[in-house]
Amino acid sequence: AQSVTQPDIHITVSEGASLELRCNYSYGATPYLFWYVQSPGQGLQLLLKYFSGDTLVQGIKGFEAEFKRSQSSFNLRKPSVHWSDAAEYFCAVPDFGNEKLTFGTGTRLTIIP
Amino acid sequence: DADVTQTPRNRITKTGKRIMLECSQTKGHDRMYWYRQDPGLGLRLIYYSFDVKDINKGEISDGYSVSRQAQAKFSLSLESAIPNQTALYFCATSPGTRTYEQYFGPGTRLTVT
Repeated sequence: AQSVTQPDIHITVSEGASLELRCNYSYGATPYLFWYVQSPGQGLQLLLKYFSGDTLVQGIKGFEAEFKRSQSSFNLRKPSVHWSDAAEYFCAVPDFGNEKLTFGTGTRLTIIP
Repeated sequence: DADVTQTPRNRITKTGKRIMLECSQTKGHDRMYWYRQDPGLGLRLIYYSFDVKDINKGEISDGYSVSRQAQAKFSLSLESAIPNQTALYFCATSPGTRTYEQYFGPGTRLTVT
């Protein structure tokens, strides 16, 4: 079964600095891939998705992600973080057979002034 | 108004009690899902439903049951709550049609004492 791994449990970044959150997938064919964000006390919101085509995907809130088949990765990036970006971030991959999403364990992002 | 709503938002209950968590959506989606979130484990699928007559177990369905009362309503029940069911519970919807995107409610924080 396909799966995703988020190797970083917690990352701390200074406000205004760049950000990269890692996601590695395990899937034989070209996967569909998602990034979701969970702000404190909120549900999950879709940041961006990759289905095929251009490997650099733009999302909401100034985020982007790059699909790299050679590294089995789909890392999330932002050039300059804002205090409001403090949240938990989840990478996810769907099961094509039953349309479920399998989530990574999440990366918690802390922003320091 | 929110597209996916969950009630209650917070609930404290005692071991052995029956409890129902409710989810309603105005998105017109056929597919609905129940997840639980535990720290360090990400989101795990409990049950999912593709329409009113199609309900399926997820990876952690033991101790839970569901009811799809209408296209817009999907309830999760804990027949006899136990402390290790203390978690954050999310409802999600999806339009299907192989987009695989899911839209989440704000969550219900359940504590079983």
